[in-house]
Amino acid sequence: SQQGEEDPQALSIQEGENATMNCSYKTSINNLQWYRQNSGRGLVHLILIRSNEREKHSGRLRVTLDTSKKSSSLLITASRAADTASYFCATDARGAQKLVFGQGTRLTINP
Amino acid sequence: DGGITQSPKYLFRKEGQNVTLSCEQNLNHDAMYWYRQDPGQGLRLIYYSQIVNDFQKGDIAEGYSVSREKKESFPLTVTSAQKNPTAFYLCASTRDRTANYGYTFGSGTRLTVV
Repeated sequence: SQQGEEDPQALSIQEGENATMNCSYKTSINNLQWYRQNSGRGLVHLILIRSNEREKHSGRLRVTLDTSKKSSSLLITASRAADTASYFCATDARGAQKLVFGQGTRLTINP
Repeated sequence: DGGITQSPKYLFRKEGQNVTLSCEQNLNHDAMYWYRQDPGQGLRLIYYSQIVNDFQKGDIAEGYSVSREKKESFPLTVTSAQKNPTAFYLCASTRDRTANYGYTFGSGTRLTVV
């Protein structure tokens, strides 16, 4: 079952620019999470935003959540080559007690 | 350091063979999960367990089996009934059954059918 859908599927920007990725989902949620995956590795948890929150920051990351539109965005400011990875959003449909992941956005930072 | 250990990192399976992927965590997490990832794709849930001696099927459980005899361990067996097992397998855990906390992932096992 696919809950989250990321957009765009792939994004390529220059080092130093900001990167924005979007996630849309279908059902009511308790929280939405963002993860990063470097090629061939496991996922790393970046940030969790609860359904009653609208914005959250962590270092160079800024996440917004609009529950009326069932969408979220992840902004990475001042991108670095080390940010090159795939980024996934994940949601827990209310009562489901498990995360469902989207297809991911492949981000490439060009030096 | 606490974390999740998956082994082996690479695994080759012959047609008709069962293989078992190991997942061990020392985080004292209640819930554990197995996901499958195909190239360029997202994660699909195979099985999950929220308490010892109990587990539930995910979205693609056919051809797989699990056990949860210890809190720390959640092995996944890929049986011969799984017709297309070549994929990257990821194990994850989280503090409790609510999905209100971030998941910790292992580094994955890449399974190839030869």
